[in-house]
Amino acid sequence: SQQGEEDPQALSIQEGENATMNCSYKTSINNLQWYRQNSGRGLVHLILIRSNEREKHSGRLRVTLDTSKKSSSLLITASRAADTASYFCATDSPSYSGAGSYQLTFGKGTKLSVIP
Amino acid sequence: DAGVIQSPRHEVTEMGQEVTLRCKPISGHNSLFWYRQTMMRGLELLIYFNNNVPIDDSGMPEDRFSAKMPNASFSTLKIQPSEPRDSAVYFCASSLQGANSNQPQHFGDGTRLSIL
Repeated sequence: SQQGEEDPQALSIQEGENATMNCSYKTSINNLQWYRQNSGRGLVHLILIRSNEREKHSGRLRVTLDTSKKSSSLLITASRAADTASYFCATDSPSYSGAGSYQLTFGKGTKLSVIP
Repeated sequence: DAGVIQSPRHEVTEMGQEVTLRCKPISGHNSLFWYRQTMMRGLELLIYFNNNVPIDDSGMPEDRFSAKMPNASFSTLKIQPSEPRDSAVYFCASSLQGANSNQPQHFGDGTRLSIL
């Protein structure tokens, strides 16, 4: 079942603008990760935020996490054409195999288009 | 360093045929994950291995699907017999230090499978 759901499904902006993508999830988590996928390629890990963190930065990326609302946001500042990709949030959940076993559950992603 | 290597990149075959997808994880990684990506269902975890042992195969759709990891540097996902609804992009990912979701997953570029 889907855990994380991204919003919006698609986003189109001009180069230089900021892009904000949101993720909502349903159950408690240990951490939340964001990934990027370029067309025809595999997913690339961007950033991980733990459940006891509220905000994290990496270069032009800023991630926030609100566990009371079960939501996260990914902000890309000063976007570039090369940022055009799909962005996914992924939440961890214990697998049925028991303690210490986790699997990531991915949302369906936000497709970002940055127009030069 | 080489990333996760998947082969073939593309596979087109007729229904009823056996399909074998291959994955070489990043050296030193001891967790390996097989995912399937479709437009309708997004990215789904099929199975994952920890130290070559299958930990959670609850995502494997049916008995036609099987996965093996005979050693730390190689895994296969087999579909026999294949059906048109198996058409999707199949990704392999690996991570370090077990199936703890705190570790980012590194994805291959996938195998695009088309069953006619």
